[in-house]
Amino acid sequence: QKEVEQDPGPLSVPEGAIVSLNCTYSNSAFQYFMWYRQYSRKGPELLMYTYSSGNKEDGRFTAQVDKSSKYISLFIRDSQPSDSATYLCAMSDSNYQLIWGAGTKLIIKP
Amino acid sequence: GAVVSQHPSWVICKSGTSVKIECRSLDFQATTMFWYRQFPKQSLMLMATSNEGSKATYEQGVEKDKFLINHASLTLSTLTVTSAHPEDSSFYICSAILGPSNQPQHFGDGTRLSIL
Repeated sequence: QKEVEQDPGPLSVPEGAIVSLNCTYSNSAFQYFMWYRQYSRKGPELLMYTYSSGNKEDGRFTAQVDKSSKYISLFIRDSQPSDSATYLCAMSDSNYQLIWGAGTKLIIKP
Repeated sequence: GAVVSQHPSWVICKSGTSVKIECRSLDFQATTMFWYRQFPKQSLMLMATSNEGSKATYEQGVEKDKFLINHASLTLSTLTVTSAHPEDSSFYICSAILGPSNQPQHFGDGTRLSIL
């Protein structure tokens, strides 16, 4: 079993829909949780960074962390074709080494 | 803020050539830089971690003599792929963190390396 599980997709939704992306993990020591967006042939871009449990909102993006369930989510409201990309979750304990999900390919259809 | 620049973005060279990739933190001093490799449709694979002024720490299975890392300053790390062969063709990405180890990593735009 991988430490971090993420459905690779692709996930295809119409423009304007609410998108829900998720990762589950097995290591209860993880404290720092990140979501990155990666366009084709580009480096990952940090979208959200959260510590411990709770919600964090930034514009159209909301990150949720449920440590009791070992489950994290990224919600995208009013999705746009420009949101089409691969979304990677990553997490770490007190060390800086990131453990990555496989990435979910998201397609927003105009 | 937290901009990381990587150069070159794409390089094609003949087998046996050594290739150097630069990673610079433009607006912050990076205490630690990381080098990743990414195969098509796969997630990032950490190759090594480097701290300014000290030797890099390589992940298991990564050849130290093949992938030379130099972190000469707080804003520059280089990865040299020595005597590159077609199997070294890949997408190489660097990242950097500012300050404490619990800060998020900021990534460069990657280097596409093609060895003929």
